Amino acid sequence: GENVEQHPSTLSVQEGDSAVIKCTYSDSASNYFPWYKQELGKGPQLIIDIRSNVGEKKDQRIAVTLNKTAKHFSLHITETQPEDSAVYFCAASRTPNAGKSTFGDGTTLTVKP
Amino acid sequence: SQTIHQWPATLVQPVGSPLSLECTVEGTSNPNLYWYRQAAGRGLQLLFYSVGIGQISSEVPQNLSASRPQDRQFILSSKKLLLSDSGFYLCAWSEGTGGADEQYFGPGTRLTVT
Repeated sequence: GENVEQHPSTLSVQEGDSAVIKCTYSDSASNYFPWYKQELGKGPQLIIDIRSNVGEKKDQRIAVTLNKTAKHFSLHITETQPEDSAVYFCAASRTPNAGKSTFGDGTTLTVKP
Repeated sequence: SQTIHQWPATLVQPVGSPLSLECTVEGTSNPNLYWYRQAAGRGLQLLFYSVGIGQISSEVPQNLSASRPQDRQFILSSKKLLLSDSGFYLCAWSEGTGGADEQYFGPGTRLTVT
């Protein structure tokens, strides 16, 4: 089955700096890669996703890149703000059963004001 | 718009007691439904998913079971809780077969087995 590894497990940056979180996956048939943000005591919230036919996707301060050959994808947050502090999860799955996702273990991002 | 509800929000139960967690979705029809468990400091582990009423697939062998008595209702149960069942339980939904891939999570239930 699919295996997703996520690094780093914790990340601390100064407000305004960039943050990068990386994930690798094992199943070359995976084609859907969402990223979730989870605030304390809440459920994860989808913030951005990318599909295997796209190499990069951007939404304001958030971008995701995908390297299918190397089987890794990354989340980039620019101009970080304190409200970006949360746990971020990557996931990988095969569509059309994208809900059967395999998740990474999460990265705790702390943005220091 | 679609909303997903879970209750209770927190639950403390003794070992050996039964469990029933409920999840309902509003604003959509024929959703795919999922139960995940999140251990402290870890990612989400898929426990069950359902593509329709009465259709349940189990991803991991365990002390839990799931049922879908109505189209937008998903229930997680146990006859006898174990200490290892403690965790944060999340329900999620996505559009049914042929629909969008995006998955949406509920607020979760924090279960502590004592």
